[in-house]
Amino acid sequence: EDQVTQSPEALRLQEGESSSLNCSYTVSGLRGLFWYRQDPGKGPEFLFTLYSAGEEKEKERLKATLTKKESFLHITAPKPEDSATYLCAVRTNNNDMRFGAGTRLTVKP
Amino acid sequence: EPEVTQTPSHQVTQMGQEVILRCVPISNHLYFYWYRQILGQKVEFLVSFYNNEISEKSEIFDDQFSVERPDGSNFTLKIRSTKLEDSAMYFCASRVSLYNEQFFGPGTRLTVL
Repeated sequence: EDQVTQSPEALRLQEGESSSLNCSYTVSGLRGLFWYRQDPGKGPEFLFTLYSAGEEKEKERLKATLTKKESFLHITAPKPEDSATYLCAVRTNNNDMRFGAGTRLTVKP
Repeated sequence: EPEVTQTPSHQVTQMGQEVILRCVPISNHLYFYWYRQILGQKVEFLVSFYNNEISEKSEIFDDQFSVERPDGSNFTLKIRSTKLEDSAMYFCASRVSLYNEQFFGPGTRLTVL
């Protein structure tokens, strides 16, 4: 069965304290791994798509990487406005999106 | 910047009533989706829609649910007889092609009393 597991569930950082979020997946046929940011009461906001092992994408303080079994979202020198829930999702052979439960990130000033 | 819009933002209904949730996808997008997120839980796929028909649906999307694209712009989700457990945020999403990212709307919070 296709599964997406994110860790940790929650992460509290001080402003400027870099860290990484993990997304591990087992899917029958990966057709893209997606990172989204979700603020409370809002819809997921697209961040990155990764398609193949070794691929990396960057945007401001965020960098996403992909291996054959997991993806990392690295946050460098985070700011309080980076506080949100970060969702990982995979597109399966059935073309549906399977989401992880998310990592709730809090960045304290 | 184009965006997916959803109405209403909050819908309160009595158990057993029918509700219709509305979405306006981004205008040049061809693939449309509905997801739900029960409070504190994962975003769950409900249904995908392309070329005026359902492409895929999950086990959640039973006979109580239906989708429609009644005109060139709206995409609706109907729940025929709501249950308490249907209370959730419902998100609409769209994409240009299967190889592009999905853009999500702001959601409709459905509360079934």
